[in-house]
Amino acid sequence: DIQMTQSPSSLSASVGDRVTITCRASQGISNSLAWYQQKPGKAPKLLLYAASRLESGVPSRFSGSGSGTDYTLTISSLQPEDFATYYCQQYYSTPSLTFGGGTKVEIK
Amino acid sequence: QVQLVESGGGVVQPGGSLRLSCAASGFTFSSYGMHWVRQAPGKGLEWVAFIRYDGSNKYYADSVKGRFTISRDNSKNTLYLQMNSLRAEDTAVYYCAKDGKLGDYGDWYFDLWGRGTLVTVSS
Repeated sequence: DIQMTQSPSSLSASVGDRVTITCRASQGISNSLAWYQQKPGKAPKLLLYAASRLESGVPSRFSGSGSGTDYTLTISSLQPEDFATYYCQQYYSTPSLTFGGGTKVEIK
Repeated sequence: QVQLVESGGGVVQPGGSLRLSCAASGFTFSSYGMHWVRQAPGKGLEWVAFIRYDGSNKYYADSVKGRFTISRDNSKNTLYLQMNSLRAEDTAVYYCAKDGKLGDYGDWYFDLWGRGTLVTVSS
């Protein structure tokens, strides 16, 4: 199975900060990567797919980049509603889907 | 309204069985592959199973293979997960999720999630 390593596992940031979360795959995944946001007690929500394609309705302050094994989720200006846990997921190797361990974004 | 609504969770003893349902509305259910994804308390996400839009192909995580069965009834816009031989490590919130790509084999990312149903396996 492809292992997905997310970093950091948690971070503290202030409203307005630029936040970057990294996901590294154990082998190349050809941009077959999705990012999700999950708030406590809620279902995950799709933010981006194909590494950089923004899901409809998701604010443009969210962006994704990367290639090969290394991918990044960036929040350009953190808003109060962005405090949540973020997960990456590779879908290059199906049916062996794998998620990253998650990054909890907390208020500084 | 585009939504998925799971039901059927509860408390079951180890070795027991449970069937989860997921009612879909607001989109053409019969055109999309569907998944089950679970999340143990305080833990991350784990993909469980996938069924093709027409039910012709099914895939499972190794952790549930041989114990869980995914199925669908396109006439009722409903997805199911039959869970047998349940273990303590199956305790989790189970989400049904819609595949992000229309038809065929799907794309295996999830663009719509239900709110989840909690399954607790305990004696």
